[in-house]
Amino acid sequence: QQPVQSPQAVILREGEDAVINCSSSKALYSVHWYRQKHGEAPVFLMILLKGGEQKGHDKISASFNEKKQQSSLYLTASQLSYSGTYFCGTEKRSGGSNYKLTFGKGTLLTVNP
Amino acid sequence: NAGVTQTPKFQVLKTGQSMTLQCAQDMNHNSMYWYRQDPGMGLRLIYYSASEGTTDKGEVPNGYNVSRLNKREFSLRLESAAPSQTSVYFCASSGRGEYSAEAFFGQGTRLTVV
Repeated sequence: QQPVQSPQAVILREGEDAVINCSSSKALYSVHWYRQKHGEAPVFLMILLKGGEQKGHDKISASFNEKKQQSSLYLTASQLSYSGTYFCGTEKRSGGSNYKLTFGKGTLLTVNP
Repeated sequence: NAGVTQTPKFQVLKTGQSMTLQCAQDMNHNSMYWYRQDPGMGLRLIYYSASEGTTDKGEVPNGYNVSRLNKREFSLRLESAAPSQTSVYFCASSGRGEYSAEAFFGQGTRLTVV
């Protein structure tokens, strides 16, 4: 079952902030965030593990609320290079030590000058 | 340092034909995945393999088979291609062991079934 992302699309002007949300109905082990440019493969941004930790990467940060099975990606002072489709990936145990990594439908972020 | 390599990059099939998409990684990763990407649907998991010799179904396995030939290679086979299988296919691998690890993606295979 795919995690649910919102919003589906967002348009920003350079320098503005955005938040992308990701939620799941099932218990999660971890949440991944990836960015995909048009015509390219998805590229890893960060992983968040259980424990409500918040991670950061330059002006992009994320949080993971284990109890609510929700994660949010925060993009501050957006740059043109932030444009792309953002995917959250959620990891669930599927038996033994096997973990299944499934992705949401993505959020298309467009940053304009 | 190739990472994850997929072949072919582009393929056109006729309905009913079969083909195998190849994927190889050189990072000594345990976990490998096959996804398909369709407009508005995101990345959907077809099959995955947590380790050499094991495979498991994902969200959309119907019409596909996989083989984890060895630790490096994970192939996806379409036995009788259908137009609904027109998509971009991504292979990914991760060094997931005891802890979660980032997934590295290949450059994708654009498949058209006519």
